Amino acid sequence: GEDVEQSLFLSVREGDSSVINCTYTDSSSTYLYWYKQEPGAGLQLLTYIFSNMDMKQDQRLTVLLNKKDKHLSLRIADTQTGDSAIYFCAVPNTGGFKTIFGAGTRLFVKA
Amino acid sequence: DGGITQSPKYLFRKEGQNVTLSCEQNLNHDAMYWYRQDPGQGLRLIYYSQIVNDFQKGDIAEGYSVSREKKESFPLTVTSAQKNPTAFYLCASSILGREQYFGPGTRLTVL
Repeated sequence: GEDVEQSLFLSVREGDSSVINCTYTDSSSTYLYWYKQEPGAGLQLLTYIFSNMDMKQDQRLTVLLNKKDKHLSLRIADTQTGDSAIYFCAVPNTGGFKTIFGAGTRLFVKA
Repeated sequence: DGGITQSPKYLFRKEGQNVTLSCEQNLNHDAMYWYRQDPGQGLRLIYYSQIVNDFQKGDIAEGYSVSREKKESFPLTVTSAQKNPTAFYLCASSILGREQYFGPGTRLTVL
């Protein structure tokens, strides 16, 4: 079945770059998404990329998509303590009526 | 302001009780979703609805029920048949096939 996998933890120092990786199985999606969840809150849409793009940059965020390997990554430049959160990779299934979420990567930023 | 709201923020249930979680959106979205999130885990889909008066079971529908009588509202009832209901419940809405917008969540605890 459809699956989205992420590593569970990432720890970086403040000011460094963070790279969160995701692999998926269903490759028919038009869009692929990254969400951020802060403690006790709902998910917030962070960014997305069209499936016909290789890269998208949005201020400190860079999304890379490798469709051949079904690999999506999120790079956060100059990581700040306020970036500490859980980051979810999300891929709509065939037909787009459901979205498959990864388990989330918990990012720890050390001052 | 357009958005999606959930109430209550915290809910306590005694053994054997049914409880209903509210979800309302004013984004004019056709699709609405309910997810369950357990500590340290990702999101699991309970039910989703693509249009008024229609809904489908997700991956963990047993012990839950929903209704979709209005476009703006998608309440979730946690029945006494749900043996382990303590969790964080998230509601979301979307234009069909596009990114989902999440509410702030309801934390349900069984006493």
